[in-house]
Amino acid sequence: NAGVMQNPRHLVRRRGQEARLRCSPVKGHSHVYWYRQLPEEGLKFMVYLQKENIIDESGMPKERFSAEFPKEGPSILRIQQVVRGDSAAYFCASSPDLGIDTDTQYFGPGTRLTVL
Amino acid sequence: GQNIDQPTEMTATEGAIVQINCTYQTSGFNGLFWYQQHAGEAPTFLSYNVLDGLEEKGRFSSFLSRSKGYSYLLLKELQMKDSASYLCAVRDLLDGATNKLIFGTGTLLAVQP
Repeated sequence: NAGVMQNPRHLVRRRGQEARLRCSPVKGHSHVYWYRQLPEEGLKFMVYLQKENIIDESGMPKERFSAEFPKEGPSILRIQQVVRGDSAAYFCASSPDLGIDTDTQYFGPGTRLTVL
Repeated sequence: GQNIDQPTEMTATEGAIVQINCTYQTSGFNGLFWYQQHAGEAPTFLSYNVLDGLEEKGRFSSFLSRSKGYSYLLLKELQMKDSASYLCAVRDLLDGATNKLIFGTGTLLAVQP
């Protein structure tokens, strides 16, 4: 029973390039969340998606950042024209649709993005 | 505003008991979570409280007082492997159905022999 999977685990980009982060939720989970963790800071909510729909993107910067969770395939967090301040660990979490465990979000191992 | 406070660092001795406190002020509240995070790894779920009182799960217990905006995580019979960051998070329902978690900065616990 695989948990949340994220790839790549480490990603290096130069300023101005694009970064694509992938997240495969726990099998059967239809809710996906993205969080960012800057060095010495707590996890910050970015976006919450349910299959093909963005439910809450209140934590995501308006420019350069986008997220999707298509009907088939992983969720993608896309950062265009990366800047050094985007360097952080990006964590994906998922939660199930129904059942007694609907409150719990399970986290993936994260993608560590370094912008040179 | 949204504010979650927990101590930055704590030190405890192997075999002892340690209590990690968390206070919160959030616009909405629908449950409080504790996660454990080892350096460079994913946060792993420890406990969930939505009603006042104590929830016990093996060596770990978590307490919630909604009227005081306060929670603690209690770790008993500390082991060296318990050295990690402990994250307090509140589930916010300010905007309706959103399920987002608001995290504190985490408490780095060092367990010494």
